[in-house]
Amino acid sequence: AQTVTQSQPEMSVQEAETVTLSCTYDTSENNYYLFWYKQPPSRQMILVIRQEAYKQQNATENRFSVNFQKAAKSFSLKISDSQLGDTAMYFCAFMIPSGGGADGLTFGKGTHLIIQP
Amino acid sequence: NAGVTQTPKFQVLKTGQSMTLQCAQDMNHEYMSWYRQDPGMGLRLIHYSVGAGITDQGEVPNGYNVSRSTTEDFPLRLLSAAPSQTSVYFCASSYSWTSTDTQYFGPGTRLTVL
Repeated sequence: AQTVTQSQPEMSVQEAETVTLSCTYDTSENNYYLFWYKQPPSRQMILVIRQEAYKQQNATENRFSVNFQKAAKSFSLKISDSQLGDTAMYFCAFMIPSGGGADGLTFGKGTHLIIQP
Repeated sequence: NAGVTQTPKFQVLKTGQSMTLQCAQDMNHEYMSWYRQDPGMGLRLIHYSVGAGITDQGEVPNGYNVSRSTTEDFPLRLLSAAPSQTSVYFCASSYSWTSTDTQYFGPGTRLTVL
């Protein structure tokens, strides 16, 4: 079974600062994918970024980037130039493409990120 | 294109009552799933379906039934609600279960069982 651990229940930073959210995972699989989802107060789950385990290059999406360390099983999210609209719960998630979706997405418990004005 | 829709948005039940949470998607997605989100926890998979007529259990299926008579709809039934089923429920869909297919989530249903 796969597990995802987010060790920071809550973080708070000032607007325009850079913040890094931590995520570690455990799996015996070699082919997998990692995701960061954002859940604002509206409850909508929004995909922020994805990373393929076979790719060494870290994924980036505008102000969002990841630091993927496969050997350490670490997958942190960096948000640059943070904005008030970044305030949300952030979930790290894990997916195995094989198995037909029987395990679905495995989520961490989330980090509540607060951007202070 | 409405994406993934869920009804109702909020529901309060008494212990022992039954109800159905509705989920529909208009993207012709084959893979659909239900998750529950409890305070301090991530989402956990309840049931999933890889196509019309095919359903299977996820991590936490007890107390829930599903069916998939059409590609578009994937209702979740609570047969006899219990306070432990108080949660936020999310439906999700994707074209198939592959790495390249993004999971689209509905807006969620907040269920309270008294």
